[in-house]
Order: sequence, then structure tokens, then C-alpha cells
Amino acid sequence: GAVVSQHPSRVICKSGTSVKIECRSLDFQATTMFWYRQFPKQSLMLMATSNEGSKATYEQGVEKDKFLINHASLTLSTLTVTSAHPEDSSFYICSARDRGTGSYEQYFGPGTRLTVT
Amino acid sequence: GIQVEQSPPDLILQEGANSTLRCNFSDSVNNLQWFHQNPWGQLINLFYIPSGTKQNGRLSATTVATERYSLLYISSSQTTDSGVYFCAVQDSNYQLIWGAGTKLIIKP
Repeated sequence: GAVVSQHPSRVICKSGTSVKIECRSLDFQATTMFWYRQFPKQSLMLMATSNEGSKATYEQGVEKDKFLINHASLTLSTLTVTSAHPEDSSFYICSARDRGTGSYEQYFGPGTRLTVT
Repeated sequence: GIQVEQSPPDLILQEGANSTLRCNFSDSVNNLQWFHQNPWGQLINLFYIPSGTKQNGRLSATTVATERYSLLYISSSQTTDSGVYFCAVQDSNYQLIWGAGTKLIIKP
């Protein structure tokens, strides 16, 4: 149980284009999902917290107009990197909390590796 | 904010060896999670352990909340145990604060 998927697993795009990453909870409902970014050989950095049906809360220093987050249902959150640039290249990971258990444990997706050329 | 320190930063062992990874945190926390990040980047939940001891196969974890540390034990290491082990604590807002990780290499 508590499986989270991400799509795509890898994406290469040209500078200036936009990329959408999907995060789905497959066997549970998630009122809260999280988006992280991980640089090589570093730990995870929280970008934003999204709650179903409401606006995402962004961490300090994260541009909300560049990283658009939509949590449209209890099983799907999307991250859109708008007008991507090479410095946006990174490993993006989502996580979700299972609303059914009442636990605050987070379950993670497999990540999406974004390369902007 | 809460600081999380993991030690050692790197660990190289022969297959079959046992190991202990440590996580220290600077303040009271709501909870603590241990993760294994495999070479492909997937984070695997190992333990959700605010206090006490839990065991799952060859792995066990102990958290002593009053002394602000947690230990992860790996017994009879296998090459598939290689990867980075992260400790993350939950702050008062239930957000995860991450340690820098312990990179474990198990040699055959």
C-alpha cells in the first residue's frame, strides 16, 4: 500500500519551454502533497506544499510563477515548470500523506529527472 | 529551526557486516522517518518512529526522543543495501527537516 507514482520519470526540454510533472497517489487519497527538489549529492529541499482544492504554499525563495502547482483532486498534483532554463535542471520528487490513516508519514514518488538544454 | 545531523557521512563495508547509522536532532520533534534512497533515486520508507524500537527484517531502528537521537541498525549487509540513508524529522508544522544523509557502499 501507499504507492505514489510520478510521470514522466525523465524529461529533456529546450530552454524557454514548459514542462508538466504529474504526481499520483495510487492506492490512497492524499489531501496534502509535497514537491521537493534534489541537487546531486544533497538531501531534499522542500519547494511547496499543496492541499487539495486550495492554493499551494511555497517555501521562501521558490518562485510561484515559475513553479505552478495544481492539486485538483485527492489523488493528483501537478508541477509545471514554466519557461524552463538550464538552472532548473534537477531531480524533482513528490510525496503524499494518506488522509485515511490520520498519520503524518510521507510516501514518496520515484522522482522526475528534468534536463533543460 | 531544527538541525538534523547524520553520521557517518560515508560508510564502506563488506557484504555480511553490520552497521549503525546515527541521527541527532536539535529540538523536540513530532516524528522521525528513516529512508533509503536507492541508486535510481527512489526514496523507500524504512521506519516512521517517534520513539521506541521497531524492527523489519534485517533492519531495526531506535529513537530516544528525550535525548534527541535515533539509530538505524543494518545487520548482515547485502549489496542491495547500498545507497543513501536519510533521516528526516517532523517539525511543529509536520514538515520534514532532512539530514545530509549517510552514503553506504556494500562491497561483495
